[in-house]
Amino acid sequence: EVQLVESGGGLVQPGGSLRLSCAASGFTFSSYWMHWVRQAPGKGLVWVSRINSDGSSTSYADSVKGRFTISRDNAKNTLYLQMNSLRAEDTAVYYCARAMRRWGQGTLVTVSS
Amino acid sequence: DIVMTQTPLSLSVTPGQPASISCKSSQSLLHSDGKTYLYWYLQKPGQSPQLLIYEVSSRFSGVPDRFSGSGSGTDFTLKISRVEAEDVGVYYCMQGIHLPLYTFGQGTKLEIK
Repeated sequence: EVQLVESGGGLVQPGGSLRLSCAASGFTFSSYWMHWVRQAPGKGLVWVSRINSDGSSTSYADSVKGRFTISRDNAKNTLYLQMNSLRAEDTAVYYCARAMRRWGQGTLVTVSS
Repeated sequence: DIVMTQTPLSLSVTPGQPASISCKSSQSLLHSDGKTYLYWYLQKPGQSPQLLIYEVSSRFSGVPDRFSGSGSGTDFTLKISRVEAEDVGVYYCMQGIHLPLYTFGQGTKLEIK
């Protein structure tokens, strides 16, 4: 069974940093592109970032470019999102998704003083 | 940037009756490979999004056949032949051709009468 389990969310002050993880199981992690998508409270879905299967290529939404870094460790079957210089508008549930088809349950990030 | 516009934004349907959601993109979603990268997701209350339809009309694994997708170019439709109580939630269309940015529609909330 495909499983994606996000962790690392929490409360952080503006300007702070956080690293999200997404532990994958039930499939060959190294074969798939992976994505992060976020959803602010009561709002719609917004794509954040993606990484190709071997980690050699990444892309970002303009709103997070230069502040967020996506990476992966195929040996550990884990996807990461390093989030720096966090802003209040980054407050959201962050989902990891396998090829935009299978999604995890999400982890909540709250940026507030 | 490409814009995805869904209509209606909400609908209330009697169980057993059909439902239809429209999604229009500001640019064609037809790729040079012949595929059209339009996806439909359902986010049930309190859950993460789940893929229903990919590439306009292909049902994802485990999706009931009462869900169907159609359309081409810039105009697309999701149809539910007979709405059931478990179909409540927010439906999103998403384009996956004008990369690296994946763009979602605003969402359509389906309620049961």
